[in-house]
Amino acid sequence: ETGVTQTPRHLVMGMTNKKSLKCEQHLGHNAMYWYKQSAKKPLELMFVYNFKEQTENNSVPSRFSPECPNSSHLFLHLHTLQPEDSALYLCASSQSPASGSYEQYFGPGTRLTVT
Amino acid sequence: DQQVKQNSPSLSVQEGRISILNCDYTNSMFDYFLWYKKYPAEGPTFLISISSIKDKNEDGRFTVFLNKSAKHLSLHIVPSQPGDSAVYFCAASEGAAGNKLTFGGGTRVLVKP
Repeated sequence: ETGVTQTPRHLVMGMTNKKSLKCEQHLGHNAMYWYKQSAKKPLELMFVYNFKEQTENNSVPSRFSPECPNSSHLFLHLHTLQPEDSALYLCASSQSPASGSYEQYFGPGTRLTVT
Repeated sequence: DQQVKQNSPSLSVQEGRISILNCDYTNSMFDYFLWYKKYPAEGPTFLISISSIKDKNEDGRFTVFLNKSAKHLSLHIVPSQPGDSAVYFCAASEGAAGNKLTFGGGTRVLVKP
């Protein structure tokens, strides 16, 4: 039990659909992240939020839209995705870097398939 | 261009023996390194970390070694157990970038009973 939950665990969507991924952390952390893991590729950082403010957008296409309403919740809104966006999407949380702790704690991921 | 590389995609080891996983990096600004373990259908789990001011950190069966001049780190697992069979990722962070981690591609470890 990592204290970071993600829903749904699996999602199949068409290219014209709109869907959202949800992440919740129960660890009292102040930073949250979205990562993408495609087949045969390293984990790629997508977005970073520190104290609800977005501090990193790693050149992610606008069809991915993050939202962080508070330090415990993170969403990834998806629209007009492409088949190549099919991947495992992982959420993570951590203490703020100012704490000197860089360990990030991951949720189980959402396996997304775009048809 | 990958800044963190794990050149061995897989490793097979007998139960009770030592597993050695390697990781190389190119960015000299990285100053904090982490190892994660990932089972199928689960997210990565933090294992152990090391700051660039150290060259070794040990936690139970897991030891991480850092060679800054070679830009190389390794994870030693001894003794290896069947439950250690998983994919292992190394990750690196720049102090100035704080919580932006760069991951390697992973090494799949199989521990045979």
